[in-house]
Amino acid sequence: QSVLTQPPSVSGAPGQRVTISCTGNSSNLGAGYDVHWFQQLPETAPKLLIYDNNNRPSGVPDRFSGSKSGTSASLAITGLQPADEADYYCQSYDTSLSAWVFGGGTKLTVL
Amino acid sequence: EVQLVESGGGLVQPGGSLRLSCAASGFTFDNYDMNWIRQAPGKGLQWVAYIHSGGNTIFYADSVKGRFTISRDTAKNSLYLQMNSLRVDDTAVYFCARKRTGTTYFASWGQGTLVAVSS
Repeated sequence: QSVLTQPPSVSGAPGQRVTISCTGNSSNLGAGYDVHWFQQLPETAPKLLIYDNNNRPSGVPDRFSGSKSGTSASLAITGLQPADEADYYCQSYDTSLSAWVFGGGTKLTVL
Repeated sequence: EVQLVESGGGLVQPGGSLRLSCAASGFTFDNYDMNWIRQAPGKGLQWVAYIHSGGNTIFYADSVKGRFTISRDTAKNSLYLQMNSLRVDDTAVYFCARKRTGTTYFASWGQGTLVAVSS
């Protein structure tokens, strides 16, 4: 059971917009800790996609955006492409566990 | 270019030991906190261990506390994970990841090394 809760899967057609939710609690997102998002393509290492809630590292397209409010966060992907098919993970810090924590991951399927 | 290259994984029996290494290049190693993060086959990501850039602060996940030891060698630009008393549920791909001090995200990851614990 992951500390941060994500839907196991989402799907969308090419060109559409999808969102992936990430729900925490008062010890992590609700305590003010930032949320970050990673993309993991099949058989590869995770790659930082969004940091500090809504910032994109250099090279990440602006089709990817993040937001956070209270104990919840979300990742939005617009203009869906087949290459976006991957697992997506949210991540934060949990003060009661004194640990960096991840969501269980969401598998994005591009129909 | 930032590079993190893990090595040392392999097949080990329950109760055995293994030492993982992570060779860092393309950045000033001393300026970054380092972490080990693992991913069991078909499962999600789990943070395992953290070491401060100066090496003076270390944290572990409860599941590995007392069995794993993280360390770093500045002269060799390398990170290590000594794993003792290995269990079947330690089976995973182990990634090293760097984090800038004061931030909570893992900016760069290595490609991972597979540790399989089985009799």
